[in-house]
Amino acid sequence: GIQVEQSPPDLILQEGANSTLRCNFSDSVNNLQWFHQNPWGQLINLFYIPSGTKQNGRLSATTVATERYSLLYISSSQTTDSGVYFCAVVSADDKIIFGKGTRLHILP
Amino acid sequence: EAGVAQSPRYKIIEKRQSVAFWCNPISGHATLYWYQQILGQGPKLLIQFQNNGVVDDSQLPKDRFSAERLKGVDSTLKIQPAKLEDSAVYLCASSSRRLAGYEQYFGPGTRLTVT
Repeated sequence: GIQVEQSPPDLILQEGANSTLRCNFSDSVNNLQWFHQNPWGQLINLFYIPSGTKQNGRLSATTVATERYSLLYISSSQTTDSGVYFCAVVSADDKIIFGKGTRLHILP
Repeated sequence: EAGVAQSPRYKIIEKRQSVAFWCNPISGHATLYWYQQILGQGPKLLIQFQNNGVVDDSQLPKDRFSAERLKGVDSTLKIQPAKLEDSAVYLCASSSRRLAGYEQYFGPGTRLTVT
């Protein structure tokens, strides 16, 4: 089945820094979504982005479906950005697969 | 608009006992998903419903797990009997469409501890 790999697995940054999180997938996908899981465990939608680029405030995402990757950019990090970031894909055979996540810790 | 509701939020049981979780999706969402998230891992899809029909239950351990969505709205996930390895957060999500164009919205989850 399709493999979803996220990198880096862990990231520690100072408040105000920028970061780039990556999601690679091994086969073509119908959909891709980015989530933020906060320290209380709630999964929060960030982007639904099967292709192209989207921006929402300090966050933006780009998916290059033909090259099988997606990037999540976080600018001017805040402590509230801490948590785990997941990408989830829907494969061509309609299987939903989550990556293992990137754990982000923003230091004040 | 109310989000996805789940209950209970926490549950502690002993192994071999039974447990049930409840989920109420966002109003009007036809597709409902149950996921299992073990500590330190990404969510794993257990079962997906479209209205009251099962779309995908390929990763549901059917010898002990069951789920239903009788009226196409709320859903119940049951574990009987529970094992230690079932300790996890059980997440429910819903979306308005299946397949291409879906966008899932998650509930707060139920944290299950099996002792």
